[in-house]
Amino acid sequence: SQQGEEDPQALSIQEGENATMNCSYKTSINNLQWYRQNSGRGLVHLILIRSNEREKHSGRLRVTLDTSKKSSSLLITASRAADTASYFCATTITGANSKLTFGKGITLSVRP
Amino acid sequence: EAQVTQNPRYLITVTGKKLTVTCSQNMNHEYMSWYRQDPGLGLRQIYYSMNVEVTDKGDVPEGYKVSRKEKRNFPLILESPSPNQTSLYFCASSLSQGGSPLHFGNGTRLTVT
Repeated sequence: SQQGEEDPQALSIQEGENATMNCSYKTSINNLQWYRQNSGRGLVHLILIRSNEREKHSGRLRVTLDTSKKSSSLLITASRAADTASYFCATTITGANSKLTFGKGITLSVRP
Repeated sequence: EAQVTQNPRYLITVTGKKLTVTCSQNMNHEYMSWYRQDPGLGLRQIYYSMNVEVTDKGDVPEGYKVSRKEKRNFPLILESPSPNQTSLYFCASSLSQGGSPLHFGNGTRLTVT
């Protein structure tokens, strides 16, 4: 199965609510990244968090990393309709030639 | 503007007819990569390049070729396309592999009939 698996697969919320998306992985990582993809478009990088970091913020985005549980979460606060997209976590595995491996993604729908 | 440019955006072709999808980046990135995205399978890496004249296979390289003669360009070549290569293709680049963010092109939707 995937190195990075997002949960849930799909999420539907009302505008203004917070959205929390989770990513679990199996082996030790150097870093974990979150990307957003609008329908049919290229992925856009959101945040990179390194294995020695626990939390990072960027605007309305907050990412946490728990290496003991091998998991990360992406929180989008005060969601907007424009946040509707697919979100992917990607991990760089320790010692694996720095290869970046993507999960299958979470579909977020924000209802106006 | 810093960007990764892929062409064409859409391509419909027939089985066996050789095609090339071009990719160019203007950020002087050393690392470039090709992915295909299929429903339920996520993004899978086809080939990648750490620098000029250095390319290597990703997870699904069969049926594809690449070249890296110049730092900015990384074309994807399908010598004899088959229907199972119908997919959405993305080129991406970054300063280095793994430790820095990937910049993606807008994708090429390929249909092979």
